[in-house]
Formats: sequence, C-alpha cells, structure tokens
Amino acid sequence: DAKTTQPNSMESNEEEPVHLPCNHSTISGTDYIHWYRQLPSQGPEYVIHGLTSNVNNRMASLAIAEDRKSSTLILHRATLRDAAVYYCILRPMDSNYQLIWGAGTKLIIKP
Amino acid sequence: DSGVTQTPKHLITATGQRVTLRCSPRSGDLSVYWYQQSLDQGLQFLIHYYNGEERAKGNILERFSAQQFPDLHSELNLSSLELGDSALYFCASSGSGGKLFFGSGTQLSVL
Repeated sequence: DAKTTQPNSMESNEEEPVHLPCNHSTISGTDYIHWYRQLPSQGPEYVIHGLTSNVNNRMASLAIAEDRKSSTLILHRATLRDAAVYYCILRPMDSNYQLIWGAGTKLIIKP
Repeated sequence: DSGVTQTPKHLITATGQRVTLRCSPRSGDLSVYWYQQSLDQGLQFLIHYYNGEERAKGNILERFSAQQFPDLHSELNLSSLELGDSALYFCASSGSGGKLFFGSGTQLSVL
C-alpha cells in the first residue's frame, strides 16, 4: 500500500492561511487522497478528499500536484480551533480499510 | 457529532482481564471499522465488518475479536489483556462516498 510523508509539526499565526504538505510519490492511479484531522481528545474528523482535481469545501481546499505525487491542504484562515493533528492518507478506490495512517502533522496555531 | 457512538468512554482494568467495547454506527451505515491508537501514534487498522460479515483484518491480535450484530452495532472483545494493550480504540462507520465517521473513542487503561 502506498504511504504518505508529512512534516511532524507546523506552526502558524491565527487568521493567516496554512499550507500543510503531503508527499505520496508511490500513489497509484486509483488512490484517492484523503485528509482527516484529529482534535485533542477526539476521534479523527473528515476534512476533504480528491482524486486529480483541486477541491474546495467549507473547511479547506485541497491542491493536488499534476503528477499526483504530492498534495497540499490549505486552511484559508486558521483559527485556534484548527489546532489539531492533520493526517494525509491514501484510499484505494475499491476500499476503505486499507487506509494507512502515519503520524500526521501537528498544527500549532499561535494567537 | 459524527453520529457514531462508542461506549464506554473510559475503561480501567487489570492485566489478564477481558473487556468489551461497543460501537453503534451512523444510521444507515453498513460498514464498521475498528482502529487502535497508542500514545502519540497514528491509527492502526484492526478489523472491518460490513453488514455482519468480516471483510478485512489488519494488525489485530489473536486475543482480540470482533463481531457485528444484525442491528449493525459492533463489539470489540479484548482478552488476556496486557499493559501494552492500553490505548485509544476508535470505531468508524462509512456509507457510500468513502468517508469515515469516527466515534469519540474508548480509552482503555490496563494496570
């Protein structure tokens, strides 16, 4: 199964945009790119996912490189409530259970 | 609120004991997944059930077992508990679309 690589931690100032990178150089053509986040003492929460094109929703935007070997989760205006661990994971098109979760990126928001 | 309910929230027990963790999926979701999260680690996939049938096994120990009942709730049974089994155990459900919805977890402490 393809794996992802993320920085261990990132810091950002409140009300500024945040770009969280993810490398997935061994991604296959049928793997979706999913992002989840886990707030302290909570279960992971779905953020966004995409296949080839950039995606936007009310929580974030997902920018996918043309070769699909990397992606970036964009929080347009970070708040203190966005402080969490962000996981970038790959999901094969025909499965959910093969999700391989790395350690994620711990996002620290400074007021 | 994800719609996935896990009980109990906290469980403290002794080595060698057996415990049962319970999960009720979102209304209408047929799939239930169990994950283990040790301190400061990513999530480890344990097992997946779909409509009462086991679909996939991950890194689940032989001392652990699970089942999904006709009403779609699921139970994860952990026996002969060891100190290393102390962790957060998450249940997730999914319908169509590939998104996982996680419960708030059961914190298991084995003393």
